[in-house]
Amino acid sequence: GAGVSQSPSNKVTEKGKDVELRCDPISGHTALYWYRQSLGQGLEFLIYFQGNSAPDKSGLPSDRFSAERTGGSVSTLTIQRTQQEDSAVYLCASSLQMVGYPLVTYEQYFGPGTRLTVT
Amino acid sequence: AQKVTQAQTEISVVEKEDVTLDCVYETRDTTYYLFWYKQPPSGELVFLIRRNSFDEQNEISGRYSWNFQKSTSSFNFTITASQVVDSAVYFCALSEAGEYGNKLVFGAGTILRVKS
Repeated sequence: GAGVSQSPSNKVTEKGKDVELRCDPISGHTALYWYRQSLGQGLEFLIYFQGNSAPDKSGLPSDRFSAERTGGSVSTLTIQRTQQEDSAVYLCASSLQMVGYPLVTYEQYFGPGTRLTVT
Repeated sequence: AQKVTQAQTEISVVEKEDVTLDCVYETRDTTYYLFWYKQPPSGELVFLIRRNSFDEQNEISGRYSWNFQKSTSSFNFTITASQVVDSAVYFCALSEAGEYGNKLVFGAGTILRVKS
């Protein structure tokens, strides 16, 4: 079946511009996560969606970052007024939702990422 | 707070050698999950294994095996008879299941280079 897809694969933007990154999760996966990977910081969690709501936004680095998810499927991560330190690979992952007690956690499947370069 | 430590930054081996990648974790929860992911040169993270804190049985999958020891908070990964295709960055990750989701906390990764 189809995996997680992300677009664009590469994005070069000028400092101060806004960018939108898109993620299309695996069909049937209600949980969706955004991470970013940079040389200095490694792999960092940004935000988690359950359906269309985001109960955990604790990883968003500043109020310039926002994300939404519609129809329990596609998600968009928006970065406003981009800065050079935003340059990184932005990764999206999806998984089945946790169930049961104690909660069963399922593995996350990652997309190919969007490489963002801010010049 | 959760933390994952992969002390080996880079390992180089010759094909057919066995290699073990170390992972040490910290968590205050009694219920948690551990994962290993592979990131080949193509860049996409590939899921390898998931293990919950209640299951300390070691697991073997082909040339891959995992040793989970709660007493030492370690979840080590061994590749037997390594091959050039095993060259990649390997990440260990920890997740605490909670009502706010199960975000992954990753280690810094270990670069594995397998030479022919």
